[in-house]
Amino acid sequence: KNQVEQSPQSLIILEGKNCTLQCNYTVSPFSNLRWYKQDTGRGPVSLTIMTFSENTKSNGRYTATLDADTKQSSLHITASQLSDSASYICVVSAIPNFGNEKLTFGTGTRLTIIP
Amino acid sequence: DTEVTQTPKHLVMGMTNKKSLKCEQHMGHRAMYWYKQKAKKPPELMFVYSYEKLSINESVPSRFSPECPNSSLLNLHLHALQPEDSALYLCASSQDSRAGGPQNEQFFGPGTRLTVL
Repeated sequence: KNQVEQSPQSLIILEGKNCTLQCNYTVSPFSNLRWYKQDTGRGPVSLTIMTFSENTKSNGRYTATLDADTKQSSLHITASQLSDSASYICVVSAIPNFGNEKLTFGTGTRLTIIP
Repeated sequence: DTEVTQTPKHLVMGMTNKKSLKCEQHMGHRAMYWYKQKAKKPPELMFVYSYEKLSINESVPSRFSPECPNSSLLNLHLHALQPEDSALYLCASSQDSRAGGPQNEQFFGPGTRLTVL
């Protein structure tokens, strides 16, 4: 069964500090891994997308890494801001043969930035 | 225009009402999706439309009825819902549900917050 696990479930850090969120997955056949940011009551917004051959990808203060051998990914946030408070969801895409792309969502990490 | 719009933003309905949720995109995407998200849970896929045809129904109860009038519009018709159907309903679109990779990124709308009394 395809699964995506994220840790920690929740995290509170001071404004200006850095943090790293983790994602482990067992999804086959792997196509790509995405990190989304979701504000409460809003739709998810894509931060990064990485394919099998990519090890790292940055989007401003967000840097995602992917280790396809160990099936692990991380999202590093640098110099956190109050607006970074949100849920961060790891999503892994699979493409079954002759089928539609299937996304497996992690349960998310709830990040709170305090002044 | 990289936006997916959804209306209404909020909806309160009784169990005997009939209502519809609407979703629109003008990115030329040929795949559109409905997700249901309960509080503090990840989105759960409900339906996928590919080239205006229903390609995935994740065993959703018949009180939810999707419709894709054209490639830009996606509706979700609601009838005889239960209180446990209260949730955030998200619409998304992508270039092609049969493709993968960065070019098939799903763009999500802001969602409709549904409350069933």
